[in-house]
Amino acid sequence: NAGVTQTPKFRILKIGQSMTLQCTQDMNHNYMYWYRQDPGMGLKLIYYSVGAGITDKGEVPNGYNVSRSTTEDFPLRLELAAPSQTSVYFCASSYPARGDEKLFFGSGTQLSVL
Amino acid sequence: GQQVMQIPQYQHVQEGEDFTTYCNSSTTLSNIQWYKQRPGGHPVFLIQLVKSGEVKKQKRLTFQFGEAKKNSSLHITATQTTDVGTYFCAGRETTDSWGKLQFGAGTQVVVTP
Repeated sequence: NAGVTQTPKFRILKIGQSMTLQCTQDMNHNYMYWYRQDPGMGLKLIYYSVGAGITDKGEVPNGYNVSRSTTEDFPLRLELAAPSQTSVYFCASSYPARGDEKLFFGSGTQLSVL
Repeated sequence: GQQVMQIPQYQHVQEGEDFTTYCNSSTTLSNIQWYKQRPGGHPVFLIQLVKSGEVKKQKRLTFQFGEAKKNSSLHITATQTTDVGTYFCAGRETTDSWGKLQFGAGTQVVVTP
């Protein structure tokens, strides 16, 4: 029962570097999400996807890009890392059509941009 | 836009005591969800409330959804050290599509033995 799997768990980037945070789920969920969590600030939605080939912006999309080529995978791309992107990133999935909208979260990626 | 506020931000509780954390939205919600995040962990779903005035219990935890569907509360009785963590509420505005949950900033709970 893997659920939602995120890699890497930790990463340190230099300003201006790029990287991709990987997320995969094995629950056949159609909805997938990327959130960032800053200390004391709760979770902010970056991007979400309602199915393969369909993505949409959340509250804080600037500086990020996503793609959804398969149901299982939803990678998050940081093109030019900035210190403001230092945060913990969580991927999540759900299947709202089943009558509930509960989110299943991955274990997170702690990213530092120095 | 929709805002979800949680109070208090921090809650220090003596083991065995009760406490309540509150969640308030500026707009009417379709549903409210509660999550718990242990220190260093990820949010874990606790419950979803959908109906106006709904009350649900999970052992020592009681969740309530307000009549106007704009507020919610989580009450924990006889607090234990296992209750340590941050509790988040999350709601979806009635005019928003599935998936657009707004999270509160959370209530961080510290339990003193």
